[in-house]
Amino acid sequence: GAVVSQHPSWVICKSGTSVKIECRSLDFQATTMFWYRQFPKKSLMLMATSNEGSKATYEQGVEKDKFLINHASLTLSTLTVTSAHPEDSSFYICSARVLDSLQTVPMHEQYFGPGTRLTVT
Amino acid sequence: AQSVAQPEDQVNVAEGNPLTVKCTYSVSGNPYLFWYVQYPNRGLQFLLKYITGDNLVKGSYGFEAEFNKSQTSFHLKKPSALVSDSALYFCAVRGSNDYKLSFGAGTTVTVRA
Repeated sequence: GAVVSQHPSWVICKSGTSVKIECRSLDFQATTMFWYRQFPKKSLMLMATSNEGSKATYEQGVEKDKFLINHASLTLSTLTVTSAHPEDSSFYICSARVLDSLQTVPMHEQYFGPGTRLTVT
Repeated sequence: AQSVAQPEDQVNVAEGNPLTVKCTYSVSGNPYLFWYVQYPNRGLQFLLKYITGDNLVKGSYGFEAEFNKSQTSFHLKKPSALVSDSALYFCAVRGSNDYKLSFGAGTTVTVRA
């Protein structure tokens, strides 16, 4: 099946610094990727939808200047947390939407990456 | 607006016993329903989905789910639970004209030996 990877799997950074998280589709092309945030024992909160070659669409309440998303190619999307603060500490998960060969029906809906644990000290 | 409710934060069962994880949904139009499982510090793994057709859907690892339109439910079931089924389970829904998934709060399943 389709594989989505994330790098790094965990990162610790100091308050005020920026950190970049990569999301890659390893064996398929993903025109659409999603970024989620998950708090401990909580559901996933969609942060933004990332389409290749265009600006990301952010959900209400998500600061686009703080969470920069770039989808430069069909296999790579990046999330940069700028000027990170302890309240940004969370588990960030990306996913990719896969269409079938006719580019019509999504298969398995979304494939999820393994997540990135961010801790801001 | 679309939403998912998973009424139970935790489900505890003994190994070999049936397992049920409840899910109800609200969505405009025909629902597309999904179950995912998450192990600690890992991303979500797809279990099964309902788009159309038979109300009973069979998925990975022996799981199945039954779509009930009148009760707007999509409960996840497994006839005989394993200790390795212990994990966090999410139900998700989207409308047929949308691409964004809405997730339930998750249900932690613990299967004791």
